[in-house]
Amino acid sequence: GQQVMQIPQYQHVQEGEDFTTYCNSSTTLSNIQWYKQRPGGHPVFLIQLVKSGEVKKQKRLTFQFGEAKKNSSLHITATQTTDVGTYFCAGRVMDSNYQLIWGAGTKLIIKP
Amino acid sequence: DSGVTQTPKHLITATGQRVTLRCSPRSGDLSVYWYQQSLDQGLQFLIQYYNGEERAKGNILERFSAQQFPDLHSELNLSSLELGDSALYFCASTSNPLAGNTGELFFGEGSRLTVL
Repeated sequence: GQQVMQIPQYQHVQEGEDFTTYCNSSTTLSNIQWYKQRPGGHPVFLIQLVKSGEVKKQKRLTFQFGEAKKNSSLHITATQTTDVGTYFCAGRVMDSNYQLIWGAGTKLIIKP
Repeated sequence: DSGVTQTPKHLITATGQRVTLRCSPRSGDLSVYWYQQSLDQGLQFLIQYYNGEERAKGNILERFSAQQFPDLHSELNLSSLELGDSALYFCASTSNPLAGNTGELFFGEGSRLTVL
């Protein structure tokens, strides 16, 4: 079936270090969305990428969508404690139901 | 505040019992999704409704059922509960992505179910 693989599962960083999570889809996506879930919270939409090769920035966060629309990444520069949480990608599949296929998430942990 | 309301926030029950989780979507959103999230796990898609009709099914057990009512609120029924059903159940709503909207999902705060 259609899958979106997301790696790594966990990433431990020192505050101030960078963080990156990657998503790879088994099928071409219509678009891809990114969500953040804080500990104890619910997923919150961050951004959607639609175009092949698209790059979008939100302050210290950089989102990329691959040329083949099968992979995506989220990069955080100089992590802060407020960045702690789990980041999920979710790809929309080009089918009649326009379904979202979720990655398993990457948990960002800031080392004390 | 996402505008999606879920009740109850917490629920503790025993194995073999049945519970109903309720979700009110954002005003105007026709689409409702249900997800299950076990401790420190990802989001498992259960089922989607659009304007009262089932649109897509994920890994939903036969012991679970859902429906969306004419006023667009949705209920997820979980029966013959097992210890492994303990999880956070999220409801999310969205406007129709096929209508040119981004289709971002707005999540409720979840219903935490504990089965003892």
